[in-house]
Amino acid sequence: SAVISQKPSRDICQRGTSLTIQCQVDSQVTMMFWYRQQPGQSLTLIATANQGSEATYESGFVIDKFPISRPNLTFSTLTVSNMSPEDSSIYLCSVEVGTGGRKLFFGSGTQLSVL
Amino acid sequence: TQLLEQSPQFLSIQEGENLTVYCNSSSVFSSLQWYRQEPGEGPVLLVTVVTGGEVKKLKRLTFQFGDARKDSSLHITAAQPGDTGLYLCAGRGGGSNYKLTFGKGTLLTVNP
Repeated sequence: SAVISQKPSRDICQRGTSLTIQCQVDSQVTMMFWYRQQPGQSLTLIATANQGSEATYESGFVIDKFPISRPNLTFSTLTVSNMSPEDSSIYLCSVEVGTGGRKLFFGSGTQLSVL
Repeated sequence: TQLLEQSPQFLSIQEGENLTVYCNSSSVFSSLQWYRQEPGEGPVLLVTVVTGGEVKKLKRLTFQFGDARKDSSLHITAAQPGDTGLYLCAGRGGGSNYKLTFGKGTLLTVNP
């Protein structure tokens, strides 16, 4: 299993500002994942963060808007840049453990509201 | 693009009732997972089903994977208020398509 600490748990931000979300895992993992969960929508993968290389972004998400850092095997950050109300959402980091029947563990999420 | 449709979207029942939620797709998945998410928390994995027709039980929860591996169901017997939460299904494609596709979820409320 994996225990993930994510912070902040929630924040209210002004339009045009940026917020950095931190994710700390209690064990070393190769890949960390960042998801967005909008009301009434599916969990959507934003990007996969690998240590020592640039993150891999999914269609519709770009590095300028969601820069990601992965300085070591237990930590990652996601920044939501130049925020607009449309960025209001829950942001979740996760890690995958095991092979074969791989299991995804999630942080408790960051509830972001942009005014 | 693989899509997963969950139904119903909302379900409100009384304690002690039984319920079934569904997860359907036109795509074949190599495996399918069910998660439960409570307010202010991340999703927590309940089960993974891999084989077509597979049935897994977790106390009062019964999970089934369709024979064609395109759909799944979750049945809860004698629901309790502690079962309240958002139930998400997630399918994993095969081969190079290893990523998880999530449904939108079923929000279950069990009233005492």
